[in-house]
Amino acid sequence: AQSVAQPEDQVNVAEGNPLTVKCTYSVSGNPYLFWYVQYPNRGLQFLLKYITGDNLVKGSYGFEAEFNKSQTSFHLKKPSALVSDSALYFCAVRGGSARQLTFGSGTQLTVLP
Amino acid sequence: DGGITQSPKYLFRKEGQNVTLSCEQNLNHDAMYWYRQDPGQGLRLIYYSQIVNDFQKGDIAEGYSVSREKKESFPLTVTSAQKNPTAFYLCASSIVSAGLVYEQYFGPGTRLTVT
Repeated sequence: AQSVAQPEDQVNVAEGNPLTVKCTYSVSGNPYLFWYVQYPNRGLQFLLKYITGDNLVKGSYGFEAEFNKSQTSFHLKKPSALVSDSALYFCAVRGGSARQLTFGSGTQLTVLP
Repeated sequence: DGGITQSPKYLFRKEGQNVTLSCEQNLNHDAMYWYRQDPGQGLRLIYYSQIVNDFQKGDIAEGYSVSREKKESFPLTVTSAQKNPTAFYLCASSIVSAGLVYEQYFGPGTRLTVT
């Protein structure tokens, strides 16, 4: 079985400050990890993924994520938050030969001006 | 939202009626998925299909049905047996490589309201 946890339902950060949205996972086999963003009443947009290689993955809109195998984490980060980054963020995982992704419950990010 | 279209964006139905949600993709992806999204519960997988004429139940398939007659299309029918059908429905697709799936691309969603 595979699972993913986003321990924070809500994250607030001031514009210009660094942001972190947390994600931890549990899988059998090698993990394949993904981050998505969702704006109100829209579909999810793919941000970035970790398949193999460098632990720091860079994605769209200045976001990056750090894979930490020992802590089974894949936290999403951005050095300087924008008000337009305010949205719902989802982490997802696929383990080994699993045929589907499992999504976390989402974290609402609010960037305050 | 890429090359995945869902129609309509908003749908209203009376209780007891079946309703079909459309999902079409022009990305040449083999796999397609249907998710249900409720507030505070993230995404829950309803059905998925990796090849034409084949599909598998997800975590919450009861009260739903699908078909995959064409690679580009994966319609979802919400039947009267679904106890609480009001939700936001998302369709997605992905490539399949060596039997494994990678990132999924999502459509804009259909918000279904049943009264």
